[in-house]
Amino acid sequence: GAGVSQSPSNKVTEKGKDVELRCDPISGHTALYWYRQSLGQGLEFLIYFQGNSAPDKSGLPSDRFSAERTGGSVSTLTIQRTQQEDSAVYLCASSLHSLGLMDTQYFGPGTRLTVL
Amino acid sequence: KQEVTQIPAALSVPEGENLVLNCSFTDSAIYNLQWFRQDPGKGLTSLLLIQSSQREQTSGRLNASLDKSSGRSTLYIAASQPGDSATYLCAAKPEGGATNKLIFGTGTLLAVQP
Repeated sequence: GAGVSQSPSNKVTEKGKDVELRCDPISGHTALYWYRQSLGQGLEFLIYFQGNSAPDKSGLPSDRFSAERTGGSVSTLTIQRTQQEDSAVYLCASSLHSLGLMDTQYFGPGTRLTVL
Repeated sequence: KQEVTQIPAALSVPEGENLVLNCSFTDSAIYNLQWFRQDPGKGLTSLLLIQSSQREQTSGRLNASLDKSSGRSTLYIAASQPGDSATYLCAAKPEGGATNKLIFGTGTLLAVQP
């Protein structure tokens, strides 16, 4: 595709419900990243996938957050039992590789999650 | 722990001015540093990526420099235009380890007045 796409663009949910956010990376990109941008906070790293290697989950804030990447392409970020503090813009990025000049990360438009 | 700071937090300039945005990082062990712009309600657009072995990168009216030893990077915008108005973010990629995450600064909100 032309760029990284994410869906939905906006999601409003009630506290306690589960949500799934989807990311379609640029075709051929082996690395995929999830970040979160909260109001008044900077962008924080959540999780990183590189090829078939085990993902780097070091940024996930709690065990309510999980992500998977099927077939080395599409990724889904799942938040279980959502809390109001989960409200944020969730951004996905991909890069051709994870090192060297191919390391430029290209970001999607994000999913704005609002937990009521 | 790597911390990335951007100064100023906000900047307003008249059209045509040259300007400099500053980014500092506490740990000089970085693999690269990347500058992004973010428009309201949109994702990030990559502007420039500087490898740790490089001193600067240029793209059009933009020039980014990197002084790894002092923990600083600057983004120079020449002849600013109203279309340059956006939030500018710098991000450092830590060296070594298995992680490939970017550590972002809090951004500089730029307004270019016509």
